[in-house]
Amino acid sequence: QVQLVESGGGVVQPGRSLKLSCSVSGFTFTSYGMHWVRQAPGKGLEWVAVISFDGKNTYSTDSVKGRFTISRDNSKNTLFLQMNSLRPEDTAVYYCAKSLGRVEMATIGHWGQGTLVTVSS
Amino acid sequence: DIQMTQSPSSLSASVGDRVTITCRASQTISSYLNWYQHEPGKAPRLLIYAASSLQSGVPSKFSGSGSGTDFTLTISSLQPEDFATYYCQQTYSPPYTFGQGTNLEIK
Repeated sequence: QVQLVESGGGVVQPGRSLKLSCSVSGFTFTSYGMHWVRQAPGKGLEWVAVISFDGKNTYSTDSVKGRFTISRDNSKNTLFLQMNSLRPEDTAVYYCAKSLGRVEMATIGHWGQGTLVTVSS
Repeated sequence: DIQMTQSPSSLSASVGDRVTITCRASQTISSYLNWYQHEPGKAPRLLIYAASSLQSGVPSKFSGSGSGTDFTLTISSLQPEDFATYYCQQTYSPPYTFGQGTNLEIK
C-alpha cells in the first residue's frame, strides 16, 4: 500500500535552514505529483507547495516563496522541502502528500504521518 | 488567492445525528473542491473530491454537494469515529487553500 515517511524535522534557530525528506513506496513515484502541507500548533491545515510528476512544475504559497523549495529525486523515490530563512511562524507539523490522480495533481489522495519542525532560539 | 470559509467552526452533535458543514469560496471554483477528515495524531484522510465524488473506501454516509462558490459536506448517522476536524480545500488554482476547519465534537 501507499507509504509516505517524512524525516528531517527538529528544532532550528530562526534564520537557519532545514531540509525535509519524504521517502515513498507502494506506488509509481514517477507518475504522481507530490505536495507538502503543514499544520501549526493549534491551527488548521495550510497547503505549502506542489511539484509535478517530472519535477518541471512547482507552485507554492506566498508565505514561503523565495524561502522554501520543493524538489524530488525520482531515481530515489524521494520528495524534499528545502526550508531557508526559517521563522518562528514556520513551526508546524509538515506532511508529505501524494496526488490522487496521475493527470490531475492538485487533489491530495494520501498523506504521511508528518514531521515536526520547531523554529525557536 | 482564493479564500475558503467554513461554517460552523465547531459543531456539537450526538451519535446517530446527521450534520452538515458548509464551505464558501471567495470566487467561483466550479467543482474543484475536496473534503478531508483529520483526527489528532493521524494523517488526514480524503473523503470527497470534485465536490461530490466519494473517495474509494469511504463510507457512503459521507456526501458532498455544490458548485461555484457554495459547497456542503453531509455526514449521516454519526458514529464515535466520525468526531474529528473536517476541512474543505479548493484545487481550482494554486495556492490550493484550505478552509479553517470545522471541529465536530460529541455532545
